[in-house]
Amino acid sequence: DGGITQSPKYLFRKEGQNVTLSCEQNLNHDAMYWYRQDPGQGLRLIYYSQIVNDFQKGDIAEGYSVSREKKESFPLTVTSAQKNPTAFYLCASSMTGGHIETQYFGPGTRLLVL
Amino acid sequence: GDSVTQMEGPVTLSEEAFLTINCTYTATGYPSLFWYVQYPGEGLQLLLKATKADDKGSNKGFEATYRKETTSFHLEKGSVQVSDSAVYFCALSVIQGGGKLIFGQGTELSVKP
Repeated sequence: DGGITQSPKYLFRKEGQNVTLSCEQNLNHDAMYWYRQDPGQGLRLIYYSQIVNDFQKGDIAEGYSVSREKKESFPLTVTSAQKNPTAFYLCASSMTGGHIETQYFGPGTRLLVL
Repeated sequence: GDSVTQMEGPVTLSEEAFLTINCTYTATGYPSLFWYVQYPGEGLQLLLKATKADDKGSNKGFEATYRKETTSFHLEKGSVQVSDSAVYFCALSVIQGGGKLIFGQGTELSVKP
C-alpha cells in the first residue's frame, strides 16, 4: 500500500535537546511538507520541498531545520531554539507541488516537552 | 495576505440532521479550495476539493461549491451520521504558493445518536 509514514508516534524532548521527526513516503511524490498543529488551531506550514536537495521556509520556520537528500524522505529537526515545541506535527506530500493538487498526510507525531 | 475563516465550533447535531459549516476566504487570484477531515489522533484526509469558480466538489454525501462572488466554500451534508464526528478544515492553495495549504482553524462536529 502506498502512503506516508511518520515516526515516532510520540516523542519527548528535554530542555536544550534537538529531536528529529521522521517522514517517509512511497507515493513517488516530488513535493513534501511539514505542518504544525496546535490545539484549536489550523495547521501552519513549517517547511516545504518541491524537489530533492531543495527546500523553502514556510510561515513558522524559526527553530526548525529540514533536509531532503532522498525523494522519499523529509526529516524535520526541532532544535533547542524552538521555545514552544509542544504540538502535533504532520507531514504531507503531493505529486508536484501544484496549487490544484491534493496533499496526502501522514498520521502525525505528537511532541511533548519534559 | 491569504486567509481562511471558518465558523467556530463545536457543532453538535443529532443523527440525520442537515449540516452546514461555513467557510470564507481571502486570496489573490483564483485559489484552489479544499475540505479536509481529521478523526481523533489521526492525520488529515481530503474530503473534497474545487479548483475553479462554480465547481462543486462532492464525496461521501458531502458537497461544497466554489463561490467566487461571495468568496465562500461552505460544506454541506443532507443527513449526518455518528461516524461523521470529526474536525473539518477548510483550506486554500494559491498559484504562487508552492503548493502550500492555508488552513482555517477547524470546526469540530459531534453527531449524537
